[in-house]
Amino acid sequence: RKEVEQDPGPFNVPEGATVAFNCTYSNSASQSFFWYRQDCRKEPKLLMSVYSSGNEDGRFTAQLNRASQYISLLIRDSKLSDSATYLCVVNRDTGRRALTFGSGTRLQVQP
Amino acid sequence: GAGVSQSPSNKVTEKGKDVELRCDPISGHTALYWYRQRLGQGLEFLIYFQGNSAPDKSGLPSDRFSAERTGESVSTLTIQRTQQEDSAVYLCASSRDRGDTQYFGPGTRLTVL
Repeated sequence: RKEVEQDPGPFNVPEGATVAFNCTYSNSASQSFFWYRQDCRKEPKLLMSVYSSGNEDGRFTAQLNRASQYISLLIRDSKLSDSATYLCVVNRDTGRRALTFGSGTRLQVQP
Repeated sequence: GAGVSQSPSNKVTEKGKDVELRCDPISGHTALYWYRQRLGQGLEFLIYFQGNSAPDKSGLPSDRFSAERTGESVSTLTIQRTQQEDSAVYLCASSRDRGDTQYFGPGTRLTVL
């Protein structure tokens, strides 16, 4: 089983739609969690951290469910510019190789 | 300040040749990571440097791959006797410390003919 698992998609949604991605992680000792965004043929960039109480940044909401070991990302009022691959990232905080990246979920927002 | 930079941005080489990829991390970042990303795939961890500690080489796919880092500065990833399956984008990232937000460079696109 992969340490971090994501549905690869693609998720094809119309502009203005609400879309949600889930990500599951296998190590219950994981400490911190992030969502990164990667545009086509570009490097990944941090989108937002995920806090235990859940957090919101504009149209983006991230939530953590430790009991079920998953994190989610909700995007409201999708824009064309949201089209990208969203990478789930987990910090195991053990050993020296701390961050583990999921393979990503591809989102395509259509006009 | 400047972000993570990598060179070259593109490298085309013939099978069997050696290549060297370079990464300049953000100044003051103690942690540096190398990843490989094949077309349409996720990030594959290769190697991790933290300060002056011995690197974590657990992700290197074969002994043809090696990397060095001088102190907390530049790192080079060397691939010897390149194979076609080595074709990928090689991404470097740095962070202030282990577990902190990683900032990625633009990557080096390697094509082995």
